[in-house]
Amino acid sequence: GENVEQHPSTLSVQEGDSAVIKCTYSDSASNYFPWYKQELGKRPQLIIDIRSNVGEKKDQRIAVTLNKTAKHFSLHITETQPEDSAVYFCATGGGNKLTFGTGTQLKVEL
Amino acid sequence: GAGVSQSPRYKVAKRGQDVALRCDPISGHVSLFWYQQALGQGPEFLTYFQNEAQLDKSGLPSDRFFAERPEGSVSTLKIQRTQQEDSAVYLCASSLGAGGSSNQPQHFGDGTRLSIL
Repeated sequence: GENVEQHPSTLSVQEGDSAVIKCTYSDSASNYFPWYKQELGKRPQLIIDIRSNVGEKKDQRIAVTLNKTAKHFSLHITETQPEDSAVYFCATGGGNKLTFGTGTQLKVEL
Repeated sequence: GAGVSQSPRYKVAKRGQDVALRCDPISGHVSLFWYQQALGQGPEFLTYFQNEAQLDKSGLPSDRFFAERPEGSVSTLKIQRTQQEDSAVYLCASSLGAGGSSNQPQHFGDGTRLSIL
């Protein structure tokens, strides 16, 4: 089955800096790559997604890049703000389910 | 409703009891998913429905876990003879179209936090 690895597990940045989270996956059939933000005790919220026919997608301060050959994709957050502090999960889709990474705890410090 | 709704938000049960968790998906969403999220981990897939048909139950950890969606809308996840390792947050998600996860944004509910004593 699919295996998704996510790094780093924790990330601390200063307000205004950029944050990068990376994921690798094993199943070449995966064709959908969403990122979710989850605050403590809350639901995972979809923040951006990318499909396998696209290499990069940007939405304001958030961007995702995908390298299908190398089977890795990354989340980039620019100009970080304290409200960006949360756990971020990458996931891959293909077939009937999403397979999630283990999460990255992002802390944006003032 | 505006989003996926789950009830109860919290459930405490004694080991050996049966529990039932409810999910109201976004109106009109064809696909419905259940996930289990252990503390500090990512959600793990349990089962998938397309309308009332359960097309994938490969993630259900044992035959004590049972899910249904009889009218293609509300779904119930039932756990029989609960054990301590069943303690987790159970998340429901829905998506608009058919076809499982392929190219389909999944929208999650707040989950049910289940604690087995």
